[in-house]
Amino acid sequence: KAGVTQTPRYLIKTRGQQVTLSCSPISGHRSVSWYQQTPGQGLQFLFEYFSETQRNKGNFPGRFSGRQFSNSRSEMNVSTLELGDSALYLCASSLGRDSNQPQHFGDGTRLSIL
Amino acid sequence: GEDVEQSLFLSVREGDSSVINCTYTDSSSTYLYWYKQEPGAGLQLLTYIFSNMDMKQDQRLTVLLNKKDKHLSLRIADTQTGDSAIYFCAESGGSYIPTFGRGTSLIVHP
Repeated sequence: KAGVTQTPRYLIKTRGQQVTLSCSPISGHRSVSWYQQTPGQGLQFLFEYFSETQRNKGNFPGRFSGRQFSNSRSEMNVSTLELGDSALYLCASSLGRDSNQPQHFGDGTRLSIL
Repeated sequence: GEDVEQSLFLSVREGDSSVINCTYTDSSSTYLYWYKQEPGAGLQLLTYIFSNMDMKQDQRLTVLLNKKDKHLSLRIADTQTGDSAIYFCAESGGSYIPTFGRGTSLIVHP
């Protein structure tokens, strides 16, 4: 069974640009969560989608947005990029029907802002 | 809010046992997880334990849970250099989103 797939693996952007990251969950998983990982802040939750609806949201500004498609694939978008947005962005999927189902992570997209 | 605490570093010699500790505050935690992150990769689910269990063993991994003290540990027997990684403890207490610790960097010396 294929794992969680994130594309692209690496991205370099400049301040002010916008970026879209993609995540394909494990087949059958309907919940997709996004996290930002930095050395200083650790793993921070961005948002979670289930059945094309945002079900949970973390504490990030509106520049960070996401969506989920009917096949459960998800994208996240960051607009007006800032230097502080440089991070590893991780996607995780789970069955999502009830809480406590473990999340399975992709290898992430490394975003560098110049 | 809920909090999960881990020590930042652990250094062991190859062949010894490693014990990584974690404490959490949410008394309604139902599942507790251990993840491993190797350089350049995402988090790999190692094992998880339901809160009504005290112990779970899976090959070289042993998870111990003291629910009264809200303390979770991961023991790795016969630690190898390939076990060098960051280990994350996480708990979920009825939320769809687990709370993660900051991670413990395990360094294994030959």
